[in-house]
Parts: sequence; structure tokens; C-alpha cells
Amino acid sequence: QKEVEQNSGPLSVPEGAIASLNCTYSDRGSQSFFWYRQYSGKSPELIMSIYSNGDKEDGRFTAQLNKASQYVSLLIRDSQPSDSATYLCAPRAMNRDDKIIFGKGTRLHILP
Amino acid sequence: GAGVSQSPSNKVTEKGKDVELRCDPISGHTALYWYRQSLGQGLEFLIYFQGNSAPDKSGLPSDRFSAERTGGSVSTLTIQRTQQEDSAVYLCASSLASTGTQYFGPGTRLTVL
Repeated sequence: QKEVEQNSGPLSVPEGAIASLNCTYSDRGSQSFFWYRQYSGKSPELIMSIYSNGDKEDGRFTAQLNKASQYVSLLIRDSQPSDSATYLCAPRAMNRDDKIIFGKGTRLHILP
Repeated sequence: GAGVSQSPSNKVTEKGKDVELRCDPISGHTALYWYRQSLGQGLEFLIYFQGNSAPDKSGLPSDRFSAERTGGSVSTLTIQRTQQEDSAVYLCASSLASTGTQYFGPGTRLTVL
């Protein structure tokens, strides 16, 4: 059974600080990884995807991947109150036809 | 372009009635997912369609739940003999196999009285 683990939170971070969201996964065959954001009462939307070990930056967001440790993280720099949401991690297997499994998500609260 | 659409947006039904929820995926997307999300909870996977392959029904919570995808496009999730615990938001998402990025619809909020 493939598992995706995220700390449910809530994670409280002061405005302007760095928020660090973590995700571990059990399937060593996972090849790509997605981070989604879900605002309360809304549907999830993609923030970033990462395929290679290391860091990938997009604006204030940085995704970090370590396949050997089966660990992927999302850093949010200069956190804003508008970043308050639930962040979902979703690894994808090598076989593109396999379904993608989401973690339960981490609730992030940015303190003004 | 048009995104994923779902109908109805809200559905109130009485316990024991059957309901049908509809999902129109993005044109050309071969993969389609149904999820259920109860208040304050994570996404609960229900069923996955990929192209012409047999659907992955491993997430359906009981045999009261079923889903179809006609012509590789529109999908309908049917819940028979609804129970109060079926009350939730039902989300549909579609994706291309090449990218895997899921695009979610706005959801259907189901309330069973």
C-alpha cells in the first residue's frame, strides 16, 4: 500500500518568515511530485511540480526533493496571510497510468 | 479554455434516495478522478479512470457507490440509498497522462437529511 505522510498541522508561521512543509512517501518508484494548495471551501490547485533531486524555485516557493530519503518539501519565503491554506503533497509513480495518491495535507496559518 | 465542470453545485436529498453527480473533464484529458472530502478532512480517493483501462474502484466505500465514464469523457458518480454519512463535497479532477497535473472541478456539495 503506497503511503504519503504529511504533518496535519496546523503549522503557524509569522508573516514574513519561511514556512517549511514536509512530505514523506513510501513508493521508491515515485518519479515526480506535485504540491497543491487548497483554500478553505475551494478546490485544490497546483503550485509546483518537481522531478529531479535538488531544489526548484518559483517565485517565493521552493520545492526540495531527496529521492534517497523519500522526502519532498515545500518552502514558502516571505510568508503572507494569503498563503494560509492546506498544502497537499502528491507523488507520482514511474508508470504514468498509475493513480496519483494525495497526502492528507498540512494546514498552514500565517500569523499577521 | 474551459476547465472541469461539475453539476449540480449543491444537492440536498433525503436519506434513502439515489443521487447522480456529473463531471465534465477538460477535453482531451484521459484520466479522471473522483474524490470525497468531508468537512475539515483530506481528499478521500474514490475511483480513477484512465483511458480505456478498467477503472480503479479501490476507493469506493461501499457497493452503494458506482461510477461510469461514457465515451472517455463525461463521468457520473451514483450513490444509491444515500446515508447521512455520505454528506460531503465530491470533487472531480482530470489530467493528461503525460503531465499528471490534476485540474479540479468546483465540487458538488451533497447534504443528506
